[in-house]
Amino acid sequence: EDQVTQSPEALRLQEGESSSLNCSYTVSGLRGLFWYRQDPGKGPEFLFTLYSAGEEKEKERLKATLTKKESFLHITAPKPEDSATYLCAVWAGTASKLTFGTGTRLQVTL
Amino acid sequence: NAGVTQTPKFQVLKTGQSMTLQCAQDMNHEYMSWYRQDPGMGLRLIHYSVGAGITDQGEVPNGYNVSRSTTEDFPLRLLSAAPSQTSVYFCASSYRGLNSPLHFGNGTRLTVT
Repeated sequence: EDQVTQSPEALRLQEGESSSLNCSYTVSGLRGLFWYRQDPGKGPEFLFTLYSAGEEKEKERLKATLTKKESFLHITAPKPEDSATYLCAVWAGTASKLTFGTGTRLQVTL
Repeated sequence: NAGVTQTPKFQVLKTGQSMTLQCAQDMNHEYMSWYRQDPGMGLRLIHYSVGAGITDQGEVPNGYNVSRSTTEDFPLRLLSAAPSQTSVYFCASSYRGLNSPLHFGNGTRLTVT
């Protein structure tokens, strides 16, 4: 059974304080790893797809990386508007479904 | 572009009642899916469709029915609501299955008493 574990569960940063969120996974035949951002009361919003170990993607203050066992979402010099829950999901094998982690709730304060 | 539209936003049902959660997308996406989100658990797939006339079960399909008569619409039916179905339900679509990013609606918060 595919498993996705995100850590930490919650993270509080001061504005400008860089950090990383972790997504570790146990799957058979990874086809893609996805990062989403979810604001309170809203649906998840797509950020990145990573397909193979060593791949990196960047968008503004966010950078996602992938190894054979985990992915990191690096947040550089975060701003309060980066506060959200960040979700990781994997697509593996022949199944037409994503397995989601439970998310990291990020709060960025002034 | 409206994207993925879900209605209603909130709903309260009594045990045993039935209802339909509506989902419509205007992006001509082939793939549509329903997830539920519960505290402490990741989003879990209920049902999905890879095109009009084709549906399949996800991880937690019991108690739910779907149909896909058009490309745009993918309603989720609760046949006889149970308190265990209290959750936030999200509809998501993509251009061509999981090779494309999922676009989510803003959810329906359902409470079953």
